[in-house]
Amino acid sequence: GAVVSQHPSWVICKSGTSVKIECRSLDFQATTMFWYRQFPKQSLMLMATSNEGSKATYEQGVEKDKFLINHASLTLSTLTVTSAHPEDSSFYICSARRTGTSAHNEQFFGPGTRLTVL
Amino acid sequence: GEDVEQSLFLSVREGDSSVINCTYTDSSSTYLYWYKQEPGAGLQLLTYIFSNMDMKQDQRLTVLLNKKDKHLSLRIADTQTGDSAIYFCAGSSGNTGKLIFGQGTTLQVKP
Repeated sequence: GAVVSQHPSWVICKSGTSVKIECRSLDFQATTMFWYRQFPKQSLMLMATSNEGSKATYEQGVEKDKFLINHASLTLSTLTVTSAHPEDSSFYICSARRTGTSAHNEQFFGPGTRLTVL
Repeated sequence: GEDVEQSLFLSVREGDSSVINCTYTDSSSTYLYWYKQEPGAGLQLLTYIFSNMDMKQDQRLTVLLNKKDKHLSLRIADTQTGDSAIYFCAGSSGNTGKLIFGQGTTLQVKP
């Protein structure tokens, strides 16, 4: 159990277009999901915390109007990169925290989405 | 906030033990985690340790925690080529559930 999927697994788009990435918890409900981005050979940087039914909480330096997050159900959060530019090219990873999770706060990670903006 | 640091690279021979080190700054982190990332993939939770523990062992994995020095280590016994990956330590930040990751240690296992 505790599987998280992401779609698409990779996407190539032209500069100026918008791209939507989906994160789904397949066999559990997730009140909270997290979005990270990872540059090559670097660590994961938390972008935002997505809470079901409420606005996402963005980390300092992350533009909320550029990275739109919607968490409309307990199993789905979406990240939309608006007006994408080459510098937005990165590996985007989501994680989901199971509702009513145990104290150790385990997050289950998706396989990631590779975004390349031409 | 939490800051987590790791050494960037470790190379070992198959069958040897690997020790990956991590230091953190926030002593209020309740749990500390080790994740494994294979190329082009997401993160897999390997193990975690509660902050009031000194050691945790899970098959080939041993986690040591030195709270005084804010030092965490992961020992992999009998390292195999399939263990080659990037290993991240992470601490939790306050009560938000957010994880703060180290830079990752690339483990190279030579046959």
